[in-house]
Amino acid sequence: GNSVTQMEGPVTLSEEAFLTINCTYTATGYPSLFWYVQYPGEGLQLLLKATKADDKGSNKGFEATYRKETTSFHLEKGSVQVSDSAVYFCALTIYNFNKFYFGSGTKLNVKP
Amino acid sequence: DAGITQSPRYKITETGRQVTLMCHQTWSHSYMFWYRQDLGHGLRLIYYSAAADITDKGEVPDGYVVSRSKTENFPLTLESATRSQTSVYFCASSDLDRGNQPQHFGDGTRLSIL
Repeated sequence: GNSVTQMEGPVTLSEEAFLTINCTYTATGYPSLFWYVQYPGEGLQLLLKATKADDKGSNKGFEATYRKETTSFHLEKGSVQVSDSAVYFCALTIYNFNKFYFGSGTKLNVKP
Repeated sequence: DAGITQSPRYKITETGRQVTLMCHQTWSHSYMFWYRQDLGHGLRLIYYSAAADITDKGEVPDGYVVSRSKTENFPLTLESATRSQTSVYFCASSDLDRGNQPQHFGDGTRLSIL
């Protein structure tokens, strides 16, 4: 089947620390992969995406590389800020499928 | 403004009442989705629609009804609300007909059932 597994949170970091949030997937076809961010009291916003193997998605200092060999799409940022505190969701969809599959979300707390 | 809007943002109602949550998108996206978000469960798909007049069940459809008479609207109705349906509800849309497009989410409706 199709599924997304994310690392358990919360993740607590100090400002300017390096961030990694792990995401692995299983898919029956050729997935496109996404990271979404949810700030408190808001809906999910698309952060970045990658549509084929070895693609790197990037936005606002975050990046993730689509690794087909390890079925992973880990989110990284070199230096987090307090304003990055949010819940991050990894997700996939498969061409000609009509659903999205979301991970359970990882809460990030960044302390000043 | 273009985008996806949900209304109301907040709603308090009583057990047994009928309540309808509205969702409107201006992109003419073919697909629309309803999710609920609860602590410990992440996002769970309630219903989705591939086009006007085409709807299908998701993971947790019991107690909910949807319709899609127009492409831009996708209301969700709780026919007889129960306390277990207290949740945050998100509507989303996507242009999946063009390939693996992302979903775009509304800001959510926070529903409390007393």
